[in-house]
Amino acid sequence: TQLLEQSPQFLSIQEGENLTVYCNSSSVFSSLQWYRQEPGEGPVLLVTVVTGGEVKKLKRLTFQFGDARKDSSLHITAAQPGDTGLYLCAGARYGNKLVFGAGTILRVKS
Amino acid sequence: NAGVMQNPRHLVRRRGQEARLRCSPMKGHSHVYWYRQLPEEGLKFMVYLQKENIIDESGMPKERFSAEFPKEGPSILRIQQVVRGDSAAYFCASSPPGRRQETQYFGPGTRLLVL
Repeated sequence: TQLLEQSPQFLSIQEGENLTVYCNSSSVFSSLQWYRQEPGEGPVLLVTVVTGGEVKKLKRLTFQFGDARKDSSLHITAAQPGDTGLYLCAGARYGNKLVFGAGTILRVKS
Repeated sequence: NAGVMQNPRHLVRRRGQEARLRCSPMKGHSHVYWYRQLPEEGLKFMVYLQKENIIDESGMPKERFSAEFPKEGPSILRIQQVVRGDSAAYFCASSPPGRRQETQYFGPGTRLLVL
């Protein structure tokens, strides 16, 4: 059973387009993290959101945590080829183990 | 400010041998986690340790796998009598003590290949 449903699985877009990745669950999380992973490397933390309704911006990336803390989204504005990679969401449920989504493979073509 | 360090980065073992994976957490971090990423699958939690204590090993296979985080030195994930199904990327993460402990920082991983 996948606790965190991440969509879409794959996304191929042109440079300059906008995109949104979704992470949904029926469970409440105490916090949610977004990571980016390059081939052959470990996940690199992008952001942690902890408060329902919280919005965080990181340059062209906007992260939102749902009001009920069951879902989150990552929006990228004006995507660039350097944004290409695997994006992972991971939720913590009042403990320390993270539950990961299956990931979204993003490819930005120039 | 060094991040989480893992070694070796790549490990090849024959069936039946032992694999030892090491993890040094970030400076000041007292919590260590191990995750496994099987081919075509997502990251799955294995075990959570603090110094000299296993806090949660609910994701660890019951046999052949063990983990420790001694008072001195790195955390070790040990796999005895490896089988081909153990081939995977093993990631270590660490987090600071206190309220921010849910934010975990990952190492580069150890890619284990069992022949």
